[in-house]
Amino acid sequence: EDKVVQSPLSLVVHEGDTVTLNCSYEVTNFRSLLWYKQEKKAPTFLFMLTSSGIEKKSGRLSSILDKKELSSILNITATQTGDSAIYLCAVEPGNQFYFGTGTSLTVIP
Amino acid sequence: DSGVTQTPKHLITATGQRVTLRCSPRSGDLSVYWYQQSLDQGLQFLIQYYNGEERAKGNILERFSAQQFPDLHSELNLSSLELGDSALYFCASSAQSGGPQHFGDGTRLSIL
Repeated sequence: EDKVVQSPLSLVVHEGDTVTLNCSYEVTNFRSLLWYKQEKKAPTFLFMLTSSGIEKKSGRLSSILDKKELSSILNITATQTGDSAIYLCAVEPGNQFYFGTGTSLTVIP
Repeated sequence: DSGVTQTPKHLITATGQRVTLRCSPRSGDLSVYWYQQSLDQGLQFLIQYYNGEERAKGNILERFSAQQFPDLHSELNLSSLELGDSALYFCASSAQSGGPQHFGDGTRLSIL
């Protein structure tokens, strides 16, 4: 059965800390892995990783895909209170879209 | 603002009823996706349309149906509603089939 598992379920850190969020997956015909940030309402797109693009970076956020371990990490450095959100990992095996249940990140001032 | 518009924002109805949720995709996007988000199950993919045709199907109940119209807006129809159908329903769109999706703010459906 295809599935996406994220860890930890929740995380509380202080401003300035660095955090690492994990996503592991078991799907057939892997096509891409995507990271989203969900604050109060709609998830917003962060990164897409594929077999041909296994590392992405934007400002303080970066993500790596480990095709061998079937996993991905999302790193956030120098965290700010505005980073508080639920971070969702999604995997696209071609004709389905599987989301993990997310990691809830709280950044304390 | 993602550019994806969902209406209504909130919907309260009773068991056994039927409702229609509406989605207008971002300008230029051909794909529309529907998701159900509940507290205990996270974001569940329901169905995808691409340029009017059904492209992919997830765990969508037989009581639910969807379509995408020639102007690319989409509707999700939920019938014979049950208490367990209470959830946040998201619509998302993308330029092509698959890849990064832009989500609307969702329709919160409450079944009483």
